[in-house]
Amino acid sequence: DGGITQSPKYLFRKEGQNVTLSCEQNLNHDAMYWYRQDPGQGLRLIYYSQIVNDFQKGDIAEGYSVSREKKESFPLTVTSAQKNPTAFYLCASSIGWGLFFGSGTQLSVL
Amino acid sequence: QQPVQSPQAVILREGEDAVINCSSSKALYSVHWYRQKHGEAPVFLMILLKGGEQKGHDKISASFNEKKQQSSLYLTASQLSYSGTYFCGTSNTGTASKLTFGTGTRLQVTL
Repeated sequence: DGGITQSPKYLFRKEGQNVTLSCEQNLNHDAMYWYRQDPGQGLRLIYYSQIVNDFQKGDIAEGYSVSREKKESFPLTVTSAQKNPTAFYLCASSIGWGLFFGSGTQLSVL
Repeated sequence: QQPVQSPQAVILREGEDAVINCSSSKALYSVHWYRQKHGEAPVFLMILLKGGEQKGHDKISASFNEKKQQSSLYLTASQLSYSGTYFCGTSNTGTASKLTFGTGTRLQVTL
């Protein structure tokens, strides 16, 4: 079945540590996105990529980095520069007008 | 700028109707609606485009007032499965790129 796979489901980060969230899709979608969701808030765009080897910053890119070396994969690294990383992270892909989301990764700080 | 959704929360009995509104201070080309159940990923419901074209599915309907930069989502004869948080996302394009989401409307349908 086609879909978007995010891993891990839960992740804990120690202070000063970089962590990487995985996102893989087999929908053959060109565009991929990373959103952050905090309790009681909407989704905020971190980074997006519309084609391999190209990506753009979203509204809250500071403290995050991404790569897009393959069409299927769009990993997100939460760096030590992100001082408040605790949140639910959602990866999505799109072929045009609708976003298809993965099941998310809950990141917490130890 | 983030669109404003109203109401913030609503409780319905099964079979009742509800309207969720989404307003933006910016000129819009498209409004997207998603539903998220607790602990799950958001699911695409529908998109409304400037000019009246609507793409989506399911029994839920929506409107888009371009002059007022507002969209409304209509849930008729609500079912228990309609429970969740509804988000609108706004864009100045017709695609899903760079959507700005509202803070959500929590809908609970009871027996």
